[in-house]
Amino acid sequence: AQKITQTQPGMFVQEKEAVTLDCTYDTSDQSYGLFWYKQPSSGEMIFLIYQGSYDEQNATEGRYSLNFQKARKSANLVISASQLGDSAMYFCAMNSYSSASKIIFGSGTRLSIRP
Amino acid sequence: EPEVTQTPSHQVTQMGQEVILRCVPISNHLYFYWYRQILGQKVEFLVSFYNNEISEKSEIFDDQFSVERPDGSNFTLKIRSTKLEDSAMYFCASSDGDRGTYEQYFGPGTRLTVT
Repeated sequence: AQKITQTQPGMFVQEKEAVTLDCTYDTSDQSYGLFWYKQPSSGEMIFLIYQGSYDEQNATEGRYSLNFQKARKSANLVISASQLGDSAMYFCAMNSYSSASKIIFGSGTRLSIRP
Repeated sequence: EPEVTQTPSHQVTQMGQEVILRCVPISNHLYFYWYRQILGQKVEFLVSFYNNEISEKSEIFDDQFSVERPDGSNFTLKIRSTKLEDSAMYFCASSDGDRGTYEQYFGPGTRLTVT
């Protein structure tokens, strides 16, 4: 069975600072994918970034990067130069490396950016 | 950019009534999913659907739930006799399964309130 753990229920960060959201995972699968989603107060789920377990380089998408440490089973999200619009709930998630595999979500971290 | 759409955005129904939540996945996607999120909790997998049949379902997806792809574009979730505990945000997602990321794109959600 797969499990995602997010130990930070809430975080406050000053605008323009970088922030790291922690995520650890557990799986017996050899091949898997790791995701981060953003959920603003309006409720939709916005895909941010993906990392495959066989990818040797950390994934980056604009201001988002995923710090993937396979041996430690961690997949932290780093947001550089935070903006007020980054205030939202952030979910770490994973699935097995197959086309129809369900995504398992963590409990989320609520990020609040201070002006 | 293509997106997953869901209707209605909010549905209020009385306990015991049947509801149908509708989704239009991205047009060239082959894999479809339903997830739910009870207020303040994490997102939970309900069911995945491929090639006109259920690929996997969770223990939440009991006999009260059913899914259907009635035509080439819609994907529906039916709850036969709603209970108070079915109140949640329901997300539809779709994936093409071929990009190598198995990224799932989520719709904006339908907020179901059972009274």
